[in-house]
Amino acid sequence: DAGVIQSPRHEVTEMGQEVTLRCKPISGHDYLFWYRQTMMRGLELLIYFNNNVPIDDSGMPEDRFSAKMPNASFSTLKIQPSEPRDSAVYFCASSRPGLNSGEQFFGPGTRLTVL
Amino acid sequence: GDSVTQMEGPVTLSEEAFLTINCTYTATGYPSLFWYVQYPGEGLQLLLKATKADDKGSNKGFEATYRKETTSFHLEKGSVQVSDSAVYFCALSNYYGGSQGNLIFGKGTKLSVKP
Repeated sequence: DAGVIQSPRHEVTEMGQEVTLRCKPISGHDYLFWYRQTMMRGLELLIYFNNNVPIDDSGMPEDRFSAKMPNASFSTLKIQPSEPRDSAVYFCASSRPGLNSGEQFFGPGTRLTVL
Repeated sequence: GDSVTQMEGPVTLSEEAFLTINCTYTATGYPSLFWYVQYPGEGLQLLLKATKADDKGSNKGFEATYRKETTSFHLEKGSVQVSDSAVYFCALSNYYGGSQGNLIFGKGTKLSVKP
């Protein structure tokens, strides 16, 4: 299995631009998670989906952030407009908790820099 | 709600020293417990896990025992190496309890091992 795939691995953009991060979960996993990691705030859960439906988006910082999961094999996290304080590493993870006790498999992350 | 508390770092040790990173949890029911490791510049990866009381998870010389009576899951290694330098996260999954499909993470403990 290829594991969780994220793209791009690095993104540099200017303030005000739209940013779209992409994630392909492991086939057969029915949960998908988006996290953000910064030095100041550590690892934060932004949103998670079960069977393509958002379950908890209370971690989404504000309306500039949106996430979709149009099908079981693809999800996007969009920031519009982006701001310098959005600079962070964004991780996607997937799991099938009913089968593997809740273990999550993480992607390599997207390092976002907003200038 | 469910929560995880782990010792704050950073922890600095000399090579071949004994390592303990404390982790305690609060949860209803019977959660599964995990230790994840994040090496510099990488995503989180599972180090070890335990799914029921008195289980011992082990991997790469690391061990942790699920202690329900003390609600703890302390990480130990008898002799650390420079290559063990990383951030370690304790986490719980309570699929049939409060946190459903989500993982509840501790704040992470940074370990630095000096030669």
